[in-house]
Amino acid sequence: ETGVTQTPRHLVMGMTNKKSLKCEQHLGHNAMYWYKQSAKKPLELMFVYSLEERVENNSVPSRFSPECPNSSHLFLHLHTLQPEDSALYLCASSQDDRGAFEQYFGPGTRLTVT
Amino acid sequence: QQQVKQSPQSLIVQKGGISIINCAYENTAFDYFPWYQQFPGKGPALLIAIRPDVSEKKEGRFTISFNKSAKQFSLHIMDSQPGDSATYFCAASKGSGNTGKLIFGQGTTLQVKP
Repeated sequence: ETGVTQTPRHLVMGMTNKKSLKCEQHLGHNAMYWYKQSAKKPLELMFVYSLEERVENNSVPSRFSPECPNSSHLFLHLHTLQPEDSALYLCASSQDDRGAFEQYFGPGTRLTVT
Repeated sequence: QQQVKQSPQSLIVQKGGISIINCAYENTAFDYFPWYQQFPGKGPALLIAIRPDVSEKKEGRFTISFNKSAKQFSLHIMDSQPGDSATYFCAASKGSGNTGKLIFGQGTTLQVKP
């Protein structure tokens, strides 16, 4: 596998469920990101991790809980979501979180909250 | 001040024509301006990027024009092809010495008709 992979690609969950999104990067990068992509809206940065340490949390509700166990893996734990949380969740990585490094995106997880 | 405004929201161009997408920003601290291209079912991918020390950057059929005084930059796609049909996002960041947090525009859906 190369690049940035995300699983699952599609997820349907009820508001009371708990699920997790997984992201893995095979690029040797030190920074990883979670973005939310909703229709007709800009990509919204949710979290930034640098060397497994969270360096940014963009006022994201606590029902989204990120985890970065090592520099290659990033998780987004979901619980008691709302229908408005339905969106495409994108993971990205870059060489470093400082400076203007290209961000490499995964294909995303299409999340539907029922 | 953190916003990047992108227009138009959608664009239809005939094959061989020129596609032009515009972006405007407010924060004069931004010093890195990338354009990302996203095909359906895929994550965004870096297309071309510019820094404010130059007014234009060209890579193949893709050109970024940058107007620092007007705080605007645009993407020009020459000889547009049906394979260019995708969603294009402009972005901006304070790339020098700060976290490379990207602020994205709302996106432009381009359709190139054969």
